[in-house]
Amino acid sequence: GQSLEQPSEVTAVEGAIVQINCTYQTSGFYGLSWYQQHDGGAPTFLSYNALDGLEETGRFSSFLSRSDSYGYLLLQELQMKDSASYFCAVRPNKAAGNKLTFGGGTRVLVKP
Amino acid sequence: NAGVTQTPKFQVLKTGQSMTLQCAQDMNHEYMSWYRQDPGMGLRLIHYSVGAGITDQGEVPNGYNVSRSTTEDFPLRLLSAAPSQTSVYFCASSRLSSRQDRYEQYFGPGTRLTVT
Repeated sequence: GQSLEQPSEVTAVEGAIVQINCTYQTSGFYGLSWYQQHDGGAPTFLSYNALDGLEETGRFSSFLSRSDSYGYLLLQELQMKDSASYFCAVRPNKAAGNKLTFGGGTRVLVKP
Repeated sequence: NAGVTQTPKFQVLKTGQSMTLQCAQDMNHEYMSWYRQDPGMGLRLIHYSVGAGITDQGEVPNGYNVSRSTTEDFPLRLLSAAPSQTSVYFCASSRLSSRQDRYEQYFGPGTRLTVT
């Protein structure tokens, strides 16, 4: 089977740093994605890791360790608008690139 | 570009009724997918397609049918609605890319379906 584990909720203050961990057990692995979803909205793409290491995109960074079946999303300089749910998703192989399995999501609440 | 569009935005059905959720994309993407999202949960894959004429089942396909006659359209049919199908349905599309370092799905705004 496929499973991805994320913490259900994280609370932090503006300006802080938050790390959201994702551990996965899947029958195949080709890449790990992160998506952001505001309440009532659609998921939007944040980052993608296919190789081990850190990918940085502005205030957000994502890390992958394939040997540990583990990744994380790092949110820096938190802003109120970052209050949302964050999902990790595994792409199992190159051929069925859109056969993603999503984690249950981590709700991030940013307080003033 | 309109991106990924979905209709309707909201729908209420009675148990046993059938309907089709529409999804269209204007980005010429090869890949399209349907997900459902129940309250407070992640997205679960219903069906997906890697190109026109090619579809396959995802994690939760029972009670749903799809077809992909064109690159642009990927409708989802509910055969006989049940209260367990009350959910938010998202359609997504993405490009087949030779790059290994990036893979991005574009999501539509969703259809909120209630089955009574």
